[in-house]
Amino acid sequence: AQSVTQLDSHVSVSEGTPVLLRCNYSSSYSPSLFWYVQHPNKGLQLLLKYTSAATLVKGINGFEAEFKKSETSFHLTKPSAHMSDAAEYFCVTRSNTGKLIFGQGTTLQVKP
Amino acid sequence: DAGVIQSPRHEVTEMGQEVTLRCKPISGHNSLFWYRQTMMRGLELLIYFNNNVPIDDSGMPEDRFSAKMPNASFSTLKIQPSEPRDSAVYFCASSSIALGQADQPQHFGDGTRLSIL
Repeated sequence: AQSVTQLDSHVSVSEGTPVLLRCNYSSSYSPSLFWYVQHPNKGLQLLLKYTSAATLVKGINGFEAEFKKSETSFHLTKPSAHMSDAAEYFCVTRSNTGKLIFGQGTTLQVKP
Repeated sequence: DAGVIQSPRHEVTEMGQEVTLRCKPISGHNSLFWYRQTMMRGLELLIYFNNNVPIDDSGMPEDRFSAKMPNASFSTLKIQPSEPRDSAVYFCASSSIALGQADQPQHFGDGTRLSIL
């Protein structure tokens, strides 16, 4: 069965420093993987998606993620954090019936 | 472009009352999803529709919950009677899913924050 595991429930960085949010996946076939962001009192917004076209995926707001099959990972990175990046981030995959499967989320705190 | 529109944004009501949540998907999208988000359980898929037809309602917690999609531009999620444990944020999402395009992302509304007293 497909699943994703977000390795950190909470990450804290200083403004201007790199961001790394970790996600491992489990899948019996080439997965579809997504990162979504949720700001307070808002719905989820798609940051980027992996669909096997390229292992390095660039998303909005300077985020990118790299698909590593050997490590079954799809970590989200950003070179320099902004205060506006503070939010909840979800790593997501899709089941073979089309349902989205969400990780438990990582809260990103950005300190001034 | 207008995104997914949900109403109301907030609802506070007493237990036993009927609650109706509304969703207008993005025009042209043919799939609609209802989710519930709580601190304890995270995001849970309740039901989803494709071309206005319910495809999978296995996530609907019990008979008190029902959902309808009378046309391509409107859906409702109803709870009757409501209970305090139904308190959560309910999200609607829509997507355009066509044959061979299973990886189309879902677009979420801003949710309805429901509190049952």
